[in-house]
Amino acid sequence: GAGVSQTPSNKVTEKGKYVELRCDPISGHTALYWYRQSLGQGPEFLIYFQGTGAADDSGLPNDRFFAVRPEGSVSTLKIQRTERGDSAVYLCASSFLGDQVSEQFFGPGTRLTVL
Amino acid sequence: AQSVTQLGSHVSVSEGALVLLRCNYSSSVPPYLFWYVQYPNQGLQLLLKYTTGATLVKGINGFEAEFKKSETSFHLTKPSAHMSDAAEYFCAVSDIQAGTALIFGKGTTLSVSS
Repeated sequence: GAGVSQTPSNKVTEKGKYVELRCDPISGHTALYWYRQSLGQGPEFLIYFQGTGAADDSGLPNDRFFAVRPEGSVSTLKIQRTERGDSAVYLCASSFLGDQVSEQFFGPGTRLTVL
Repeated sequence: AQSVTQLGSHVSVSEGALVLLRCNYSSSVPPYLFWYVQYPNQGLQLLLKYTTGATLVKGINGFEAEFKKSETSFHLTKPSAHMSDAAEYFCAVSDIQAGTALIFGKGTTLSVSS
């Protein structure tokens, strides 16, 4: 079956602009995660959804970042007033149950470049 | 707070040689430990995980890792490297106190020469 997909694969924007990044999880997976991977670093947790609700948003760096999952499937990560420091690869993952031992399946990521 | 340390950002081995990628973690409660591999232009793929039970865990592609509580380590090994093993490897931890998010190390790039 299809894995986690993310669109766009690459996004170039100018400082101060608004961007939306989309994640399509594996069908039937209740849990969805967003991570950010900066150059030379491991992925860093941003937010976790269980169903439609954000169960843990402790990793969002500031209020410019927001994510939604209105129907419990597709999720959109929204970044307002982008800054050059937001440049990174944004990864989405999904898992069946969302507990500590369930495998998280990762998408290929969206590379965001803020000029 | 949890953390993961991967010793060596870059490891080079010859084809057929032993692969050893080091991972140490900190966690105040029993952890769940994972190794992921990332091939160029691909998503992270789970190699293996430790949750409970046997401390020697076998994964895909001939990799295995041993959970050593006394050393707070979860090193990844493979007896004989193959050219196709060249990739970036990430160790990650989660525990019941911190929710289900994974905390990753900075990664180790494995190069394999012929």
